[in-house]
Amino acid sequence: ILNVEQSPQSLHVQEGDSTNFTCSFPSSNFYALHWYRWETAKSPEALFVMTLNGDEKKKGRISATLNTKEGYSYLYIKGSQPEDSATYLCAFDQAGTALIFGKGTTLSVSS
Amino acid sequence: GAVVSQHPSWVICKSGTSVKIECRSLDFQATTMFWYRQFPKQSLMLMATSNEGSKATYEQGVEKDKFLINHASLTLSTLTVTSAHPEDSSFYICSARGGSIQHFGDGTRLSIL
Repeated sequence: ILNVEQSPQSLHVQEGDSTNFTCSFPSSNFYALHWYRWETAKSPEALFVMTLNGDEKKKGRISATLNTKEGYSYLYIKGSQPEDSATYLCAFDQAGTALIFGKGTTLSVSS
Repeated sequence: GAVVSQHPSWVICKSGTSVKIECRSLDFQATTMFWYRQFPKQSLMLMATSNEGSKATYEQGVEKDKFLINHASLTLSTLTVTSAHPEDSSFYICSARGGSIQHFGDGTRLSIL
């Protein structure tokens, strides 16, 4: 059974704090690693699709790194804002078809 | 950008009712769509892969006679929960791949009384 683990499960930070989450995934048969941001009552929003070992992607204050050999990815948020509050999901893409999701990290940012 | 529309958003119904959930890709064609289910405090779990013009592929442990999937066109897949029971109460969400990204619907919260 393929397992995708995310930590921490939840996180509370103050506005302006920087934070990071971890996603670990199987290191074999890797195709891609997806990060999504999921706000309540909305559909998951794709943040990054990462395919290459050592890849680093950035979107505004959010960035992500990828290590396919050891099977982990980090998501970083710099200077957290209340609007960053959401659940962040990572998903392992083994064969370019369906995704295997972690349980997510729920971020709450207080102003 | 690509959008996937899913409805209804909420369904509350009596035990024994059949419930149909629709998933549409609005500005792209999807030969394959995916149906996921999420129970409280659990991850999104793939239920089945919906293939346009052919039978769906179900994950282990998912009853194909219970969860009927129809993918009759390149933009529409439907999931019908037949004779729903309280244990079928869950959050159901569909997705479709547009390029390298899987786009999701808003999900359907199903509550069976």
